[in-house]
Amino acid sequence: DADVTQTPRNRITKTGKRIMLECSQTKGHDRMYWYRQDPGLGLRLIYYSFDVKDINKGEISDGYSVSRQAQAKFSLSLESAIPNQTALYFCATSDRPRAGANVLTFGAGSRLTVL
Amino acid sequence: DQQVKQNSPSLSVQEGRISILNCDYTNSMFDYFLWYKKYPAEGPTFLISISSIKDKNEDGRFTVFLNKSAKHLSLHIVPSQPGDSAVYFCAASEMDSSYKLIFGSGTRLLVRP
Repeated sequence: DADVTQTPRNRITKTGKRIMLECSQTKGHDRMYWYRQDPGLGLRLIYYSFDVKDINKGEISDGYSVSRQAQAKFSLSLESAIPNQTALYFCATSDRPRAGANVLTFGAGSRLTVL
Repeated sequence: DQQVKQNSPSLSVQEGRISILNCDYTNSMFDYFLWYKKYPAEGPTFLISISSIKDKNEDGRFTVFLNKSAKHLSLHIVPSQPGDSAVYFCAASEMDSSYKLIFGSGTRLLVRP
């Protein structure tokens, strides 16, 4: 089984609908992240969480909300989806950095299309 | 404004030759740089990193070079193999906010048999 599991892998929805993307991990990491990938823009940070009670906005949090239900679960919600939220979404985890780079472990991604 | 830039969207290389992927950055406060590789329908996977206090880091066929004065880093793959065909992302982080990786837009590498 994958260390970081995202569901659904693909979703097509309509403008105005509420969508939830779910992420679960077996790495035992405290830190979890949601990134969005758009063509030509790389990955951009939406939200991150250092533990269950510590949730923070990233650079593009408008239109999104998150919930950290447990150490292993971090979900991303679009309350009212709009077409420019069509993108590939990645969940990631990391351990608390001790020394060296903060290495993220990514899930396989959730492709969302908003019509 | 993008702080991490990968100006080449794609690169094609013959199997066995060297692949050189480039990355430029603008933030002098970056202290770690990472390369990730991404295959289709999979998430990015960590490949190699380098600290800003070093100018080279090597791991098997992969070597990353850092030129701080030019704010430029490059990933060398020698020899290139068809299985290296993927999208490569450069990323960077600051010491005081190491949790926040800033990614480049990626370079698609094709290694031709």
